[in-house]
Amino acid sequence: GAGVSQTPSNKVTEKGKYVELRCDPISGHTALYWYRQSLGQGPEFLIYFQGTGAADDSGLPNDRFFAVRPEGSVSTLKIQRTERGDSAVYLCASSLRPLDDEQFFGPGTRLTVL
Amino acid sequence: SQQGEEDPQALSIQEGENATMNCSYKTSINNLQWYRQNSGRGLVHLILIRSNEREKHSGRLRVTLDTSKKSSSLLITASRAADTASYFCAKAGYSTLTFGKGTMLLVSP
Repeated sequence: GAGVSQTPSNKVTEKGKYVELRCDPISGHTALYWYRQSLGQGPEFLIYFQGTGAADDSGLPNDRFFAVRPEGSVSTLKIQRTERGDSAVYLCASSLRPLDDEQFFGPGTRLTVL
Repeated sequence: SQQGEEDPQALSIQEGENATMNCSYKTSINNLQWYRQNSGRGLVHLILIRSNEREKHSGRLRVTLDTSKKSSSLLITASRAADTASYFCAKAGYSTLTFGKGTMLLVSP
């Protein structure tokens, strides 16, 4: 595909459950970013990958959040023991060069924790 | 925490008028980027200005950067109804892009 894709587009889960959110970046983009956006706010940085490694995970709110990018392409954001406060739109972006280049955003996954 | 705070929070204008949005930040940057978000198309990159640049143009967009005041402005000239969206500035530091809360722009026909 031409752009960043994210699946699922919507995820409803119950408090305490485990969820996985997937991001397919633009082919050839080495940098991949995860953000979280709540209503009325700007995107909040979570984690940034350069290739397979997490270059900066300082935005992950706690150890219930984890992300991987094993082959340097697709990434999965994993949330354990979900809480109602985790409800938000989770955005993924990719860029050709880290931070010195425009980021291309996916449509997001809307996560609702009941 | 978020920095790169935009003002105003909301702006309502008529088609054909110009819209100016401002952004302030607190720490040094490598570059500053502006993005637009509407419900139909998600977040779209508009323009990137580097810390050693003072002004940049792209079509109807003009961005300025004043590093001494730690501020930037986005000017949209001859606005159209399709410009209705939220606009965010994003500060690029050493390893992260930090977004502000955005300015909601409404352009009425």
